Order: sequence, then structure tokens, then C-alpha cells
Amino acid sequence: RKEVEQDPGPFNVPEGATVAFNCTYSNSASQSFFWYRQDCRKEPKLLMSVYSSGNEDGRFTAQLNRASQYISLLIRDSKLSDSATYLCVVSNSGYALNFGKGTSLLVTP
Amino acid sequence: GAGVSQSPSNKVTEKGKDVELRCDPISGHTALYWYRQSLGQGLEFLIYFQGNSAPDKSGLPSDRFSAERTGGSVSTLTIQRTQQEDSAVYLCASSLSGTEMYQPQHFGDGTRLSIL
Repeated sequence: RKEVEQDPGPFNVPEGATVAFNCTYSNSASQSFFWYRQDCRKEPKLLMSVYSSGNEDGRFTAQLNRASQYISLLIRDSKLSDSATYLCVVSNSGYALNFGKGTSLLVTP
Repeated sequence: GAGVSQSPSNKVTEKGKDVELRCDPISGHTALYWYRQSLGQGLEFLIYFQGNSAPDKSGLPSDRFSAERTGGSVSTLTIQRTQQEDSAVYLCASSLSGTEMYQPQHFGDGTRLSIL
């Protein structure tokens, strides 16, 4: 079983829509959690860290449910520029990151 | 530049040859990481450096893979006797520290390796 699992999508949504992604992780000892964004043929870039209390950054809200071992990302008022692959990332050790395969989002006009 | 720099950006080589990939981390970052991303797969952790030492090499797929870091800065990943399954994008990342939680890792553009 892969350590981090995500629905690969693609999610096709119109501009202005709200979209949510979930991911699950298998290691209950995992200690830190992130969402990264990866554009086609580009390097991953940190979108936001995910804290136990949940956190928000502009149009993006991340939630962590340790009991159920899942992480979510909510994007409000989607923009065309939000089209990318969103990577759920979990760390057990403080250094090595375990990446999901990513969820593909396409925002259309 | 201020980001993580990797070279070459693309490498095409014949099966059986050795290749060397280079990573220049962000200045002042003590931790350096190598990952591999194969087509349709997620990123796979290979090795972690804290300074010049590698506390975790567990992700290296075989003994054909090795890496070193010198001067607490530049790192090279060497693949000997390349095989076709080594074809992937090799990504390097760095962070201020590898010993604290929630340290963001900053990635380079990667080296796209193709083995013919």
C-alpha cells in the first residue's frame, strides 16, 4: 500500500468554482504535512504547510484529520492559473518527504 | 540565481554508461535531498544530506547509485552502468535544516535523464 494516496483526477472546474482535494496517509506516526503544486514539466513548489488546527492562505484552506489520517485542500474562487497538479506530501522524519502521485486540476474559462 | 540549480537539465545516454548529475543548493541551506520522478509516478526519495554526511541513503534503488556532497554545498548523484529503468527526472531540493519539522524544501528544475 502506498504511503500517501490521492485521487489522480482530473478535476475539471469552471473559473470561480470551489474545488476540494483529499488525500490519505498510512503512517500514523507522520509528523508534518504539506501541499505542493507542480506545473507541467516543472519542479514542485510548496503551496502550504498543513497544521493540526487547519490553516488558510488566501483562497486556499488546508485541513488535517489525524484520527482518520487524511488531509484536504480547498480552493475557492478558482482561477485559470490554479491549473496544475497538487501533490499531497507527508513526512515521518522531518526530512524525507513522501509524495502522493498528485491530483490534476484544470480550471476552464 | 537564488534558487536550487541543477545540471545538466537534460541528459541522453546509452545503456551501460555512467552519468553524473549535479546540484547546487540555496546558499546557507544545510540539508540537501535527491528525489526521482518517473513517468506517471510520484516523487521517490533517494537520499538526504545534512552537511556533508548522508544519514539516510535508504532510498537509493541499487548499488549503482551513489551520491556525495562536498563543502556543505554542491552534491553529485552518480549512476553507474545505467539501465533503461533509470530514465526519470532527478530532482534536487534543499532546506535550511533537515532536523526540524515543517522545513520547506525548495526544488531545482531537475535533470531529465533518458537512457537509450
